[in-house]
Amino acid sequence: DTGVSQDPRHKITKRGQNVTFRCDPISEHNRLYWYRQTLGQGPEFLTYFQNEAQLEKSRLLSDRFSAERPKGSFSTLEIQRTEQGDSAMYLCASTFGGNEQFFGPGTRLTVL
Amino acid sequence: AQSVAQPEDQVNVAEGNPLTVKCTYSVSGNPYLFWYVQYPNRGLQFLLKYITGDNLVKGSYGFEAEFNKSQTSFHLKKPSALVSDSALYFCAVRDIGQAGTALIFGKGTTLSVSS
Repeated sequence: DTGVSQDPRHKITKRGQNVTFRCDPISEHNRLYWYRQTLGQGPEFLTYFQNEAQLEKSRLLSDRFSAERPKGSFSTLEIQRTEQGDSAMYLCASTFGGNEQFFGPGTRLTVL
Repeated sequence: AQSVAQPEDQVNVAEGNPLTVKCTYSVSGNPYLFWYVQYPNRGLQFLLKYITGDNLVKGSYGFEAEFNKSQTSFHLKKPSALVSDSALYFCAVRDIGQAGTALIFGKGTTLSVSS
């Protein structure tokens, strides 16, 4: 499969726990994006990387959120001290050249 | 600020009839425009894009979209709907002049095609 992959697909956690999600982009894509999607809404931008550099962060990305993309390949998104409001689908997308973005299947987070 | 509006939460059509899903946008410069489709519990799947050139853009699965600069619209169309087209559709935009920036999405329109 040469598409964007995300792991895990589902995560259930208790409030206050830390969680980490992984995204593997399409191999030649230099830009990687994280979005969050809640029920009834379109995806909302969280952060993006060009190669290994994190170039932009949304105001939605509180200090409990951190993202990395070591070596410009896969990326991780960590949420510390999860809150019930963090429950959402977390989507990863990648692109080369800044045109259409290709999305992974998402990680659905449920915080109890 | 960039924004996208999808004025209809849901569109209902009968199989075989034409469908239109509406989208209007606002950007400070020239727009890149996209349509994506999302099936339940899945990520977004790219359908088509407008960057420049012909105002009528053809995409996957028989979908097309018409760019109208004066009306700042990018409506998605299909001449003959299929039941399998039932899904959630998102319009998205970004400013051509802001390379690498994220897409701004509308809230989505649920398309329901009845047999």
